[in-house]
This record gives sequence, C-alpha cells and structure tokens, in this order.
Amino acid sequence: QITLTESGPTLVKPTETLTLTCTFSGFSLSTGGVGVGWIRQPPGKALEWLAIVYWDNDKGYSPSLQSRLTITKDTPKNQVVLTMTNMDSVDTATYFCAHRGGTSGSWQSPTFDYWGQGILVTVSS
Amino acid sequence: QSALTQPRSVSGSLGQSVTISCTGTNSDVGGYDYVSWYQQHPGKVPQLLIYDVNKRPSGVPARFSGSKFGNTASLTISGLQAEDEVDYYCCSYAGRFTLIFGGGTRLTVL
Repeated sequence: QITLTESGPTLVKPTETLTLTCTFSGFSLSTGGVGVGWIRQPPGKALEWLAIVYWDNDKGYSPSLQSRLTITKDTPKNQVVLTMTNMDSVDTATYFCAHRGGTSGSWQSPTFDYWGQGILVTVSS
Repeated sequence: QSALTQPRSVSGSLGQSVTISCTGTNSDVGGYDYVSWYQQHPGKVPQLLIYDVNKRPSGVPARFSGSKFGNTASLTISGLQAEDEVDYYCCSYAGRFTLIFGGGTRLTVL
C-alpha cells in the first residue's frame, strides 16, 4: 500500500524559504522508473507542477520557478524534500507530493497514481 | 511555459457524452504520447483517470477515454452521471524532465 504524507510549516513570512518534506511508504525511490513530484494548487485555482525527482536522481523543475526550487531525495529515509526560496503571497497554496511510476512504465509519463493529502501553506506577514 | 489550454467549463446532459480538450504545442502535447488526465472533487486529492493519452488505470470506468490529434489531447466522458460534475485537468510531458498541467475544466451535468 502506497502512502505519501506532506509535512512542513503552514505559515511562512514573505521572503522566507519554505521547506516541505514528503514521507512515503510502500515503494522505494531506488526502483527504476519511479519518481516523486510536487504539485501545488492555490485556493480555487488550477494545479501547477513544481518539480520531480527520479529514482536515478534526475530532476526536473518548472521553468518559471526553477531559480527558486530545489528537490532532493533521501532514499533510505523514504523522503523527498522541496525547498522554495523567497516566498510571496502568490505562493499561498496547497502543496501535494505524488508518486509517479508503476502504472506507466515510461518515466516521462506524468502518471501520478498516488497523492498525499496535501498541506496548505499560507504566506503572510 | 504557459499552462496547457483547457476550456474553463463544459456541460452535457445526463447520459450523454462530453469532450474536454487540452491544447498545447509540439513541445509538449504534440511531441510526446505522455498525456494524463485527472479528476478532482472539491477539496479532494486529484485522481488519475487516463495516462499515456488513452490508457485507463484499473478501476477507472470504460466510459472515460482519451485521445490525441496533433497538439490537442481530449478526454471524452460518455454516459454522463451526476457525480461527474467536478474538475478535470490534463498534464503532459514537456521535455527535459519537465511537466505541465492544463488550466482545468469544470464539468456541469445538466
């Protein structure tokens, strides 16, 4: 059974750095084709893909946010960490981590078949 | 890299069919057969409906189907049911380890 859980601060101040942790179980990030991605959703708005890390440590970032994002994995701990610098009010959103892999054998496929419940992060002074 | 273009809303009658489009470019939708569709109920986590353009995960009813022509992918829902009245998002691989979502579509069942 695959589960993912996001953790981190629910309130950050403008200009601060946000650090979110995705702790997962039921799969290994050392298995070929597997990835863990981060997706966010501002209140009442659309999903936005942020970043992904793959089993072989390849990484991808949203081009519009790339300068502010860093994604890392800790395979033994079954964790993926996302940091986002210089937070602003427009970054207020629910942040989801999701498992990619298994359902589609192609690593490029945006097949997020398991999602965490999400964590609402509010940016406010 | 702007979001893939989806209609903000579509509507269809109970029991009928509706199609939601997802338009990108030849750098994303048109360049790869890696388009997924997600269904999201209000306040809930997105759920995978379609992957790799036209494949259904186990447990997804056959009345949900996907297709692609050129730079436009489509999700068709046949036999519309009241519980289908939620939000739908497409997502495509866009090269160089990047992904892109669509702006989302709200389906109304009449």
